[in-house]
Amino acid sequence: NAGVTQTPKFQVLKTGQSMTLQCAQDMNHEYMSWYRQDPGMGLRLIHYSVGAGITDQGEVPNGYNVSRSTTEDFPLRLLSAAPSQTSVYFCASRRDRLNEKLFFGSGTQLSVL
Amino acid sequence: GQNIDQPTEMTATEGAIVQINCTYQTSGFNGLFWYQQHAGEAPTFLSYNVLDGLEEKGRFSSFLSRSKGYSYLLLKELQMKDSASYLCAVSLYSGAGSYQLTFGKGTKLSVIP
Repeated sequence: NAGVTQTPKFQVLKTGQSMTLQCAQDMNHEYMSWYRQDPGMGLRLIHYSVGAGITDQGEVPNGYNVSRSTTEDFPLRLLSAAPSQTSVYFCASRRDRLNEKLFFGSGTQLSVL
Repeated sequence: GQNIDQPTEMTATEGAIVQINCTYQTSGFNGLFWYQQHAGEAPTFLSYNVLDGLEEKGRFSSFLSRSKGYSYLLLKELQMKDSASYLCAVSLYSGAGSYQLTFGKGTKLSVIP
């Protein structure tokens, strides 16, 4: 059972480039989310989805897009990368929209030069 | 806004007991989670409290007082492998039957021989 799988593990971008961080889960979870983690800031919610075709913004959504075409996948798109987006990104899922624990992917370390 | 406070760093001796405190000022509170995060790894679930009182799980216990906006994580018989960051996260209702986690900045625990 793979759980939550994130790719790539590391990525370096130049300012203005675009890229997609991939996230997939094989637990049939309805709820998926993206967080970023910065030193001294803790984990901050970027976007989340409560099911296929439904997405919503979190605390820090600017500069990021998401879509949820299937239950399994929840990609995060950076349209025009900025140095302020240098961070560690975690995808997380749980069974449904209710109050249950999150399962995290292993993270993607992104550097924007 | 939401405010979650926990100490930045703590040091404790192997075999000892350590208590990590978390205070919160939030609206729409629906429970509190504790996660453990080793350096360079993803957060993993430790405990969940929604009612006042103590939840015990092996060497780890978590306490919640909703009226005081206070929780603590108690680690007994400390082991070197307990050196990690401990994240306090408050569950908040965000509408449409959905709950989101807001994280504190984390407490980095160092266990010394």
